Amino acid sequence: RKEVEQDPGPFNVPEGATVAFNCTYSNSASQSFFWYRQDCRKEPKLLMSVYSSGNEDGRFTAQLNRASQYISLLIRDSKLSDSATYLCVVVGYGGATNKLIFGTGTLLAVQP
Amino acid sequence: NAGVMQNPRHLVRRRGQEARLRCSPMKGHSHVYWYRQLPEEGLKFMVYLQKENIIDESGMPKERFSAEFPKEGPSILRIQQVVRGDSAAYFCASSPKTVPNEKLFFGSGTQLSVL
Repeated sequence: RKEVEQDPGPFNVPEGATVAFNCTYSNSASQSFFWYRQDCRKEPKLLMSVYSSGNEDGRFTAQLNRASQYISLLIRDSKLSDSATYLCVVVGYGGATNKLIFGTGTLLAVQP
Repeated sequence: NAGVMQNPRHLVRRRGQEARLRCSPMKGHSHVYWYRQLPEEGLKFMVYLQKENIIDESGMPKERFSAEFPKEGPSILRIQQVVRGDSAAYFCASSPKTVPNEKLFFGSGTQLSVL
């Protein structure tokens, strides 16, 4: 089982739609979670951290369910500029150090 | 305040040649991470370095790959005797502290193509 699993998509949605991405992780000891965004094979950029209580940043809402080891990202009122690959990221513990473990990403294409 | 600088942006090598990828972290950052992204795959951790020390190389292939972060100068990821399967985007990231206390700042990556 992969450490971080995501539906690869693509998710094709019209402008203005609401879209949700899900992610599951295998290590129940994981404590920190993030969503990153990657455009056209450019460098990943942090979109938002994910907190146990859930958190919102404008049109973006992230949720964490520790019992189910599941993370979600909700995007409301989709814009063309939201088209990108969304990467679920978990901090992996164990071995010598902590490190970010990336999912393979979910591709979002917002259509005009 | 320059971000993480990687060069070259694109590197073409023939099979059997050596590839050297350079990464200058953000000013004030002493932690460097290298990730590799194969076509149609996610980013895979390779190595974590601090100045003059390799802290975690659990993601590095056992042969042909090495990394360093000297006291002066950029971090270098070196791939000897490249093969076609090494073709990928190599991203470097830096942080001022150990993950997860601070987010990672990524460079623009080096796209390695092996002919």
